Amino acid sequence: DTAVSQTPKYLVTQMGNDKSIKCEQNLGHDTMYWYKQDSKKFLKIMFSYNNKELIINETVPNRFSPKSPDKAHLNLHINSLELGDSAVYFCASSNRGEDTQYFGPGTRLTVL
Amino acid sequence: AQRVTQPEKLLSVFKGAPVELKCNYSYSGSPELFWYVQYSRQRLQLLLRHISRESIKGFTADLNKGETSFHLKKPFAQEEDSAMYYCAPGQGAGSYQLTFGKGTKLSVIP
Repeated sequence: DTAVSQTPKYLVTQMGNDKSIKCEQNLGHDTMYWYKQDSKKFLKIMFSYNNKELIINETVPNRFSPKSPDKAHLNLHINSLELGDSAVYFCASSNRGEDTQYFGPGTRLTVL
Repeated sequence: AQRVTQPEKLLSVFKGAPVELKCNYSYSGSPELFWYVQYSRQRLQLLLRHISRESIKGFTADLNKGETSFHLKKPFAQEEDSAMYYCAPGQGAGSYQLTFGKGTKLSVIP
């Protein structure tokens, strides 16, 4: 009965490749988020999304794009991967207007 | 720009000693304040929020608007408190935008 799940847990890939990370939540939430945690444990919002608005952190390169096939899923697509993209990526969800966010277990991306 | 400062990267205390994890923020508007915690091998989770004025697992946090601080305190540390703690102001009417600090790793020595 995992609330927020992510796949894969680990992802190792070469520079220049395109990859996706999937996120699913079964909490019935209508808002989902992607965060990036770098090697220094700094956690930074990348996107927040519900069916009406996508808010993008202006520092996120346009190689990153969120895709939401339905309310329960928000996948993260990354094109032309770079070494600096290596990090742990966390998905989270909440209900619109509510402050508590529920986090997934994270996906550790390593770009070689 | 929104900014959150947690000055201690690592804080080590003995079991039973008081703990204070510092957090200062610079934020436009009137944000809500939260502490999130990540225990070893577990996912990030909400510890407490200022608006609830609650004490969770013995932790409390006092908001000082003049100093723009939201320090997390516990009078007697326990070994199970060892974890990574993140201060996070946030606001938003729809998608709630949280800004996380860099985190403080608390290590409680038995």
